[in-house]
Amino acid sequence: EADIYQTPRYLVIGTGKKITLECSQTMGHDKMYWYQQDPGMELHLIHYSYGVNSTEKGDLSSESTVSRIRTEHFPLTLESARPSHTSQYLCASSPLTGSNSPLHFGNGTRLTVT
Amino acid sequence: KNQVEQSPQSLIILEGKNCTLQCNYTVSPFSNLRWYKQDTGRGPVSLTIMTFSENTKSNGRYTATLDADTKQSSLHITASQLSDSASYICVVSAIKNFGNEKLTFGTGTRLTIIP
Repeated sequence: EADIYQTPRYLVIGTGKKITLECSQTMGHDKMYWYQQDPGMELHLIHYSYGVNSTEKGDLSSESTVSRIRTEHFPLTLESARPSHTSQYLCASSPLTGSNSPLHFGNGTRLTVT
Repeated sequence: KNQVEQSPQSLIILEGKNCTLQCNYTVSPFSNLRWYKQDTGRGPVSLTIMTFSENTKSNGRYTATLDADTKQSSLHITASQLSDSASYICVVSAIKNFGNEKLTFGTGTRLTIIP
């Protein structure tokens, strides 16, 4: 089983609050990703990183930001949460080399903004 | 536009029966096709990855097939178990510039196994 951890698992927060979703992996993977998933819908890439100090925006526009100061840590921050941010956020990682490497996913953070 | 379409959207079968899930894609240039299993409230877990040259790959009771000419894949589950109840997601990878890959996800097939 993949060693990638997300906290918190569930978060209910009021509009306007700042939140940080944590993601850590112990596999030494260089590539890390954040996906957003709504019920019954496909995963959408919102951020990715190919290594320390490397971050890029994904296909889905997001008001969130990410940082990659350490290989194992890839937190996602929302400066001012809104109800439209309510969703499931999935973090994933994979090795840098080999396009045929599977993504290892965490169990997600389900965010509800009231 | 690159797309991945899965069918059926949902499926209910009796425990012990076999089933086949379908995935059609228009993604190019094709690199590989992946099947993931996602239990409710959990992250997806990789089942198989197939490249252009592979047309069948098994992982226990799961067997994936790939026809790169018709751009179709299937996931066959043999002798289903209650623990197979999950969403099964088809993901197609395309190689972009500088060797980076872009993944396109299907919306999944929701499989329910009943005793």
